[in-house]
Formats: sequence, C-alpha cells, structure tokens
Amino acid sequence: EPEVTQTPSHQVTQMGQEVILRCVPISNHLYFYWYRQILGQKVEFLVSFYNNEISEKSEIFDDQFSVERPDGSNFTLKIRSTKLEDSAMYFCATSVGRDGEKLFFGSGTQLSVL
Amino acid sequence: RKEVEQDPGPFNVPEGATVAFNCTYSNSASQSFFWYRQDCRKEPKLLMSVYSSGNEDGRFTAQLNRASQYISLLIRDSKLSDSATYLCVVAEGAALIFGKGTTLSVSS
Repeated sequence: EPEVTQTPSHQVTQMGQEVILRCVPISNHLYFYWYRQILGQKVEFLVSFYNNEISEKSEIFDDQFSVERPDGSNFTLKIRSTKLEDSAMYFCATSVGRDGEKLFFGSGTQLSVL
Repeated sequence: RKEVEQDPGPFNVPEGATVAFNCTYSNSASQSFFWYRQDCRKEPKLLMSVYSSGNEDGRFTAQLNRASQYISLLIRDSKLSDSATYLCVVAEGAALIFGKGTTLSVSS
C-alpha cells in the first residue's frame, strides 16, 4: 500500500528555534494537509494545500506557521519561532481529491519544544 | 465553533462482546462523516465512512441520524485487536474535525 512518509520521526528543539517538518506525499495525490495532536488531546486541522497554495487554514495556523512544496516532492511545515505549546505530534496527510474518505496519514513527527 | 463530541470511555469489554460508540456533531450542514481508528501514538486510519442509509463492513456497523446530529459505531464479536481509540470525524470543507475519541480495551 502506498505511504505518506514523514521525517524526522522525532524532533527536539529549543524554544524560539525554527523547525521544518517534512512530508513526502503519495505520488498521484494532489491535496496535502497538516494536522497536529497535543498529547492526550484530539487531532486538530492546521492547513490544507492544493495547487501550490493554501486552500484552507485553521485559527491555529498563525503567522508562525508556513507551508510549501519547494521541489515538487517534499511538502514542508515550518514553525518560525517555536513555543512550548507547539509540542505535539504533527501528522501530514494527502489525498487524490478533496475527500476525507481517502485521506492517508503519515506516521507523524513528534515535536518536543524545551 | 464546530465540535464533535464523544464519550471518552474507556470501554472495557471481553472478547466476543458487542460494543457501541456514539458521537454528536454541532454543524447541521455537515455532509460527510467517518470513523477513524487510532492506535497508541500512531496515525489515524480510516475505519469506515458513515452514510445516511447506514452501512456495514464485516463486524462494524455505522449509522447516521441527521435529525439528531448523531453518529454511531457498533462493533460485534470484539477481538483483542480491536483495542484502540475510535475517532468520530466530520468533514468541514477541506478540514476533518475530529472528536477526542473513545477508547476501547478488549480483554481475553
């Protein structure tokens, strides 16, 4: 079965540092998403990305966050100046169409901000 | 604010039991509904979509009541491998809105 690949699996950083989380989508997928899950909390939508631009974002996705697909393969989430409360599991997800039924999640990057 | 509410459990059942999970959602205009399964510290995986007419996949049956804004999942003949957190999910535009999940523990 095709997979969404995320790197790194774990990232530890100091508060105020920039981090970049990477995702390799399934090859024929066109819609890309980032979700996060704080320990013990629910999975939360951050942003959706289609045709090289953000199509939708949540109130969590503020100016500290950005996404891009710089080389046509990796889909990245950048957090400019990390805060303690950014500590969470970040999941990348992709789909062929804009359809939750066929959303494939990567295994996640656990971000720890110290 | 769009919300999806679930009883967090945990539900502790013996193998072979039938267990039912419920979920309510706040946006009456929602059109697409799903149950996802999440194992501890893993990514969510789609279990099944939920249709107005109800749908069944093996031991799993999902039901939707639009009037009550209520979704259910029934698991028959529980297996040890069914132990997981079950997430009720509603699509809102491009976003999936997740409930906090109901934890199921099946014991032998």
